[in-house]
Amino acid sequence: DQQVKQNSPSLSVQEGRISILNCDYTNSMFDYFLWYKKYPAEGPTFLISISSIKDKNEDGRFTVFLNKSAKHLSLHIVPSQPGDSAVYFCAASDNQGGKLIFGQGTELSVKP
Amino acid sequence: DAEITQSPRHKITETGRQVTLACHQTWNHNNMFWYRQDLGHGLRLIHYSYGVQDTNKGEVSDGYSVSRSNTEDLPLTLESAASSQTSVYFCASSFAIGNTIYFGEGSWLTVV
Repeated sequence: DQQVKQNSPSLSVQEGRISILNCDYTNSMFDYFLWYKKYPAEGPTFLISISSIKDKNEDGRFTVFLNKSAKHLSLHIVPSQPGDSAVYFCAASDNQGGKLIFGQGTELSVKP
Repeated sequence: DAEITQSPRHKITETGRQVTLACHQTWNHNNMFWYRQDLGHGLRLIHYSYGVQDTNKGEVSDGYSVSRSNTEDLPLTLESAASSQTSVYFCASSFAIGNTIYFGEGSWLTVV
């Protein structure tokens, strides 16, 4: 049973526009959410996180929104740049031990 | 610089062989994790450890084992390699609960 789901395997966006990546979760015990970015042949790198006590966290061009009632979070990238092209993974933790449960990933392609 | 390293980076092995993937981190992190990445499944947790002599099963632990004899290392052993274990394996670590998890660069394993 997939506890964290990213239903869009891929997304294509024009440079300068907004990229919106979505993630749904089923476990109501999750209280910490993260986004990781992964380039080919490299390990995932941490991008941004949000605690369940917040509904928004912003870091430069990246903003994560959390809707607890819908068990949904999204990552907004504005403006999108070609260097943002990568696979983005959503992850969640119940903070009982630190392990992360990941979604399937969404491959973002930003066209010049 | 402190880091997390995996070896070997690439390996081809035969069905039935025992294989060990090494993971070494110099951050003095308490928590260490092994994930595998497969198309359509994202990153799935294999085993994890919250400290020396502590090991726990993750989502897909069958056919794998780990041991934690010191803080720096968490080797992953495939007892009898199967073709279904062909994958990219990522080791990761974090200092404590709630801290960001950092990933190694991955080990590509092919079982023929």
